[in-house]
Amino acid sequence: GQQLNQSPQSMFIQEGEDVSMNCTSSSIFNTWLWYKQEPGEGPVLLIALYKAGELTSNGRLTAQFGITRKDSFLNISASIPSDVGIYFCAGQLSRGAQKLVFGQGTRLTINP
Amino acid sequence: DAGVTQSPTHLIKTRGQQVTLRCSPISGHKSVSWYQQVLGQGPQFIFQYYEKEERGRGNFPDRFSARQFPNYSSELNVNALLLGDSALYLCASSLTRTGGRTGELFFGEGSRLTVL
Repeated sequence: GQQLNQSPQSMFIQEGEDVSMNCTSSSIFNTWLWYKQEPGEGPVLLIALYKAGELTSNGRLTAQFGITRKDSFLNISASIPSDVGIYFCAGQLSRGAQKLVFGQGTRLTINP
Repeated sequence: DAGVTQSPTHLIKTRGQQVTLRCSPISGHKSVSWYQQVLGQGPQFIFQYYEKEERGRGNFPDRFSARQFPNYSSELNVNALLLGDSALYLCASSLTRTGGRTGELFFGEGSRLTVL
C-alpha cells in the first residue's frame, strides 16, 4: 500500500531550539497535512498544504509542499514545552477522495 | 461547540468477541471516517461514510463493518476479534466527502480497544 516515510522518528531537543522534520513518498499527493497528537487525544490539524511549492505558516510552525508533490517538511521555531507530542504528516492521493495516508510520526521531546 | 465525540473511550474484549464503537460528528458535518491506530504507528484508513453510504474502504478484512445513521452519527463493528485488533480507533468528521479545504478532517479522541 501507499507509504509515507517520515523522519526523524524521534527528536530530543532543548527548549528554545528550532525543529525540522520531513516526509517523503514514492507517490504524488494533491494535499499534504501536518497533525499533532498528544497522549490520550486524537490528531489535531496544524497546517494544510494544497499547491506544489506552497509555503504556509501557523504561528511558530512553517510547512512546505514539495515542488514534486512527493515530499513536505515542517519546521517549528523557538520550541516551547507545549510543543511536546507526536507529529504526523499525511497525504491525500486525489482531490476526489478523502482518504489520508499517514506517516509513522516524529516524537518530539523537549528538555526545559 | 462540541467536537467529534466517541464512545466508549476504553474497552477490553477477548478473542472471538464482537465490538461496536460509536461516533458523533461535529454538528453540520456529513462525512465520517474511521481510522485504526496501532501503538507506535500512524492512523490507517478503514472506512468513509457520507450521506449514509460507504464512499471508501481501506485494506481491512470483512470482519470490519460500519454504518452511518440519518443524523450522520456512525458505528464501527468488528467481529471475531483478534489480538492484532488492539488499537486506538479514531473517528473523524468533515463538511464534505472530498478533499480540499472543506474536506479537512477533525478527529475525536478515539476508542482504545484491548483484545486479550
